[in-house]
Amino acid sequence: KQEVTQIPAALSVPEGENLVLNCSFTDSAIYNLQWFRQDPGKGLTSLLLIQSSQREQTSGRLNASLDKSSGRSTLYIAASQPGDSATYLCAVKNQGGKLIFGQGTELSVKP
Amino acid sequence: SAVISQKPSRDICQRGTSLTIQCQVDSQVTMMFWYRQQPGQSLTLIATANQGSEATYESGFVIDKFPISRPNLTFSTLTVSNMSPEDSSIYLCSVAGGPGANVLTFGAGSRLTVL
Repeated sequence: KQEVTQIPAALSVPEGENLVLNCSFTDSAIYNLQWFRQDPGKGLTSLLLIQSSQREQTSGRLNASLDKSSGRSTLYIAASQPGDSATYLCAVKNQGGKLIFGQGTELSVKP
Repeated sequence: SAVISQKPSRDICQRGTSLTIQCQVDSQVTMMFWYRQQPGQSLTLIATANQGSEATYESGFVIDKFPISRPNLTFSTLTVSNMSPEDSSIYLCSVAGGPGANVLTFGAGSRLTVL
């Protein structure tokens, strides 16, 4: 049974700092991995999607990596800003098409 | 990407009552998904709603408790029946889009509190 774990559960950093959020999964037979941002009252926003054949994806200040063999993904946020404060969720899509979510990392960027 | 409108955004309900959540999409989609996010927990898929057929429920979720309607390709409802405090959660609808329909777009969610 696929399990997705995100560490840490919460993170607080000063503005301008680079940071890394971690996601691990137990079954490497995934179809893709997706990172989301969740803001209170605004649902989830898809940030980056990495296919199982890819190693990384970049969008602006965000870079997501995927190492299927070790069951890990990281989300790197460069030059963090207070507007980056949100909960970040990773989700893996297994071969059966089902999306399994981690519990999220709550990020707070202090001005 | 699709734009999803969900309502109500939040509600406070009495034990034993039922509440219907609506999800409207601005484009036609084949599959719509309903998720539940209990306090402090990750999202869990309740069911997949296909137009013109019965919804497909995940393990632990049953139609009597969470009846779903999908009358057309842009609309779906989820009813939470005979609510108890354990049903207090955020309920989100989602659609798949993008290349290969791999990117999920979510509604803002409906936060239910059951007293």
